[in-house]
Amino acid sequence: DTGVSQDPRHKITKRGQNVTFRCDPISEHNRLYWYRQTLGQGPEFLTYFQNEAQLEKSRLLSDRFSAERPKGSFSTLEIQRTEQGDSAMYLCASRGFGDKSTDTQYFGPGTRLTVL
Amino acid sequence: AQTVTQSQPEMSVQEAETVTLSCTYDTSENNYYLFWYKQPPSRQMILVIRQEAYKQQNATENRFSVNFQKAAKSFSLKISDSQLGDTAMYFCAFMKGGATNKLIFGTGTLLAVQP
Repeated sequence: DTGVSQDPRHKITKRGQNVTFRCDPISEHNRLYWYRQTLGQGPEFLTYFQNEAQLEKSRLLSDRFSAERPKGSFSTLEIQRTEQGDSAMYLCASRGFGDKSTDTQYFGPGTRLTVL
Repeated sequence: AQTVTQSQPEMSVQEAETVTLSCTYDTSENNYYLFWYKQPPSRQMILVIRQEAYKQQNATENRFSVNFQKAAKSFSLKISDSQLGDTAMYFCAFMKGGATNKLIFGTGTLLAVQP
């Protein structure tokens, strides 16, 4: 059972450019979460998918951010017109259904975004 | 809204000794879960221990145990026989039972285990 994977691990971009991150959850995990973590802080919730449906979005997710999970497998998070304030670690987590650990989220290694 | 507070930004412990990390939370919910996650330097976050609020018995995982005081809304983590590999940022997290089950994290405690 492979863990949650994220790609790329690091991304450096110039202000105003668009970036896209990918998350591959643990196979058969139907729930997927995106979080953002800035330096010295705990992760903050961005959005949640159950299968392919995006069921909740945080107010942190401005209209420059969009997330998708086509076919209920991998997910992408796109940031348009990046700003320096978008610099952070973007974490993906997945969670299963129907086993005894369904309340546990498993995290990927994150994508560190630096906006110059 | 739920909040999680970790009042110890940094802590230090000698190898083989015991250390306790504090966490308090605020909620009006009855159905919820609490977690401690560990984030080693430049490595991914991993689950240390979890506690269901409806269980009175404190969770234990090898050298890690919690002191869950529901009435006081306190959830501390005790690490026994500390090892160098325990050096990491530790986050306390709250999850409400229900549809979304998003995690709400504290600001973390940086634990340094000294040889």
